Amino acid sequence: DQQVKQNSPSLSVQEGRISILNCDYTNSMFDYFLWYKKYPAEGPTFLISISSIKDKNEDGRFTVFLNKSAKHLSLHIVPSQPGDSAVYFCAAYTSGSARQLTFGSGTQLTVLP
Amino acid sequence: ETGVTQTPRHLVMGMTNKKSLKCEQHLGHNAMYWYKQSAKKPLELMFVYNFKEQTENNSVPSRFSPECPNSSHLFLHLHTLQPEDSALYLCASSQEVSPPYGYTFGSGTRLTVV
Repeated sequence: DQQVKQNSPSLSVQEGRISILNCDYTNSMFDYFLWYKKYPAEGPTFLISISSIKDKNEDGRFTVFLNKSAKHLSLHIVPSQPGDSAVYFCAAYTSGSARQLTFGSGTQLTVLP
Repeated sequence: ETGVTQTPRHLVMGMTNKKSLKCEQHLGHNAMYWYKQSAKKPLELMFVYNFKEQTENNSVPSRFSPECPNSSHLFLHLHTLQPEDSALYLCASSQEVSPPYGYTFGSGTRLTVV
């Protein structure tokens, strides 16, 4: 049973508009969440993270929102650029116990020029 | 060279072959990981090494055998694989076993078992 779910395998957005990528989780023990970005033929690279004590974290064009009651997080990219086209993985972690990140299956974002 | 380096980038092997995947990190990290990525599936953790000691083995079949001779190098020895083992194998490292530092991934080895 997947503990981290990304239900949209793909998303297409026009350049300059907002991209919203969603992630749901089932394990209430997760207290840290990360987003990774992956280009073809490259490994995933860390993008942004959020602790469960926050509900928002912003880094430039990227903002992650966390709704703990709904067990939902989202990544907003605004404005979207063609170079943002990649697979985005959501990952979650529990401090002090599990020693690994649990990943979702990824969402392919395509930003159209 | 910096970061996490994986070799080879691509590998095609028969079911009776024995091969090894190599991972090397130049970041001074003390934890290293093997992940498997199959199409349309989440990244699956296979093994975790912390200070050269294996701390996690997520029910991986014995045809996959990891080796960590030091904190900078990690190997995945493969033998008598099955076609369903074809996937992208990713190595990662981190400063601590736990985030929030996140993992640094290599570019992966695309494995095809024929």
